Amino acid sequence: GAVVSQHPSRVICKSGTSVKIECRSLDFQATTMFWYRQFPKKSLMLMATSNEGSKATYEQGVEKDKFLINHASLTLSTLTVTSAHPEDSSFYICSAMNNEQFFGPGTRLTVL
Amino acid sequence: AQKITQTQPGMFVQEKEAVTLDCTYDTSDQSYGLFWYKQPSSGEMIFLIYQGSYDEQNATEGRYSLNFQKARKSANLVISASQLGDSAMYFCAMRAHGGSQGNLIFGKGTKLSVKP
Repeated sequence: GAVVSQHPSRVICKSGTSVKIECRSLDFQATTMFWYRQFPKKSLMLMATSNEGSKATYEQGVEKDKFLINHASLTLSTLTVTSAHPEDSSFYICSAMNNEQFFGPGTRLTVL
Repeated sequence: AQKITQTQPGMFVQEKEAVTLDCTYDTSDQSYGLFWYKQPSSGEMIFLIYQGSYDEQNATEGRYSLNFQKARKSANLVISASQLGDSAMYFCAMRAHGGSQGNLIFGKGTKLSVKP
């Protein structure tokens, strides 16, 4: 299957700082990528749909000014958590569309 | 509204036996796809099996099979000959084919534990 990578796999930051998470499709081009958030022992919740060359589409309740998404190329989408707070601590997973969805390995964010 | 329901928070199965993980769904769409993913403790989402709403035969992939009952709106996952490495969270998901960009809606998951 297609390969999607995420970087970093783990990040610990101080409250108030910004964190950027990268999602890359390694062997295919993806015009659409998705960002999910998963709380411990919970399901994946879609945060936003990232479209190459246009603005992301955010799900209801997701603050677009806090979770900045940039899909600058067909192989890279970035999620920036701005002014992070402890409640932003979570597991963030991206996926990329290539007929089907292929998931990245996830990024565990801990905000102190 | 679309919804996926997994009623089993946790399941235990003896190694080498078969286990069925339940999934029911709700949608008004005529065309949709159903997926099962495995999520081990490391966190990555591993695709297991896919069933299209118009597929007449139940999907099978190795030890995984999907028991698709359209009238009941159920898409249960059957794992045959369980192995210790099957211990993980299992998520059922649905994607509408019409009008969406392909995003998936996930159930709450079932934690499967395989006993030696």
